[in-house]
Amino acid sequence: DADVTQTPRNRITKTGKRIMLECSQTKGHDRMYWYRQDPGLGLQLIYYSFDVKDINKGEISDGYSVSRQAQAKFSLSLESAIPNQTALYFCATSAPGGSYTFGSGTRLTVV
Amino acid sequence: GQNIDQPTEMTATEGAIVQINCTYQTSGFNGLFWYQQHAGEAPTFLSYNVLDGLEEKGRFSSFLSRSKGYSYLLLKELQMKDSASYLCAVWIYNTDKLIFGTGTRLQVFP
Repeated sequence: DADVTQTPRNRITKTGKRIMLECSQTKGHDRMYWYRQDPGLGLQLIYYSFDVKDINKGEISDGYSVSRQAQAKFSLSLESAIPNQTALYFCATSAPGGSYTFGSGTRLTVV
Repeated sequence: GQNIDQPTEMTATEGAIVQINCTYQTSGFNGLFWYQQHAGEAPTFLSYNVLDGLEEKGRFSSFLSRSKGYSYLLLKELQMKDSASYLCAVWIYNTDKLIFGTGTRLQVFP
């Protein structure tokens, strides 16, 4: 099994729909992150969590929300999806100061 | 603010050596990471530098100069499978987060 698992791998949804992207990790780390990646813009941090009770906004949190259900689970929600949220979304986990381990990504298309 | 610059694209020939540069201006620096990302896949860890100097790991080496805000990734004996994007990321001390550059897309030709 992968260290970081993201579901779904691909999703097409309509404008205005609510959608949840899920992430689970088996590394036993407290820290988890959600990034989006757009061509030419690199990885941009949406939300991050340093433990179950500590959740923080990243650089581009507008339009997104998160839930840390357990140490191993961190989900990202788009309450009302819009086309410019079409992107590749990555979840990651790390030990403090350590390298990030990324999931395989979710390719989201909003039509 | 945080600013990390890398060239957008580079090309090289199989068997050659290529150097990918990264310059950064950040508030708080605790180390620099390099990741490799093949198209549509997850980034994977390549190297980490926290002290000035060169870190060598097989065909890949990474260099850091903290005083100059500069790093490079050196890839030797290029192979076709090295065609990928290479991401420079700075670990920001006071926020304990990684900030990524936009990545350098490397194409290796036969």
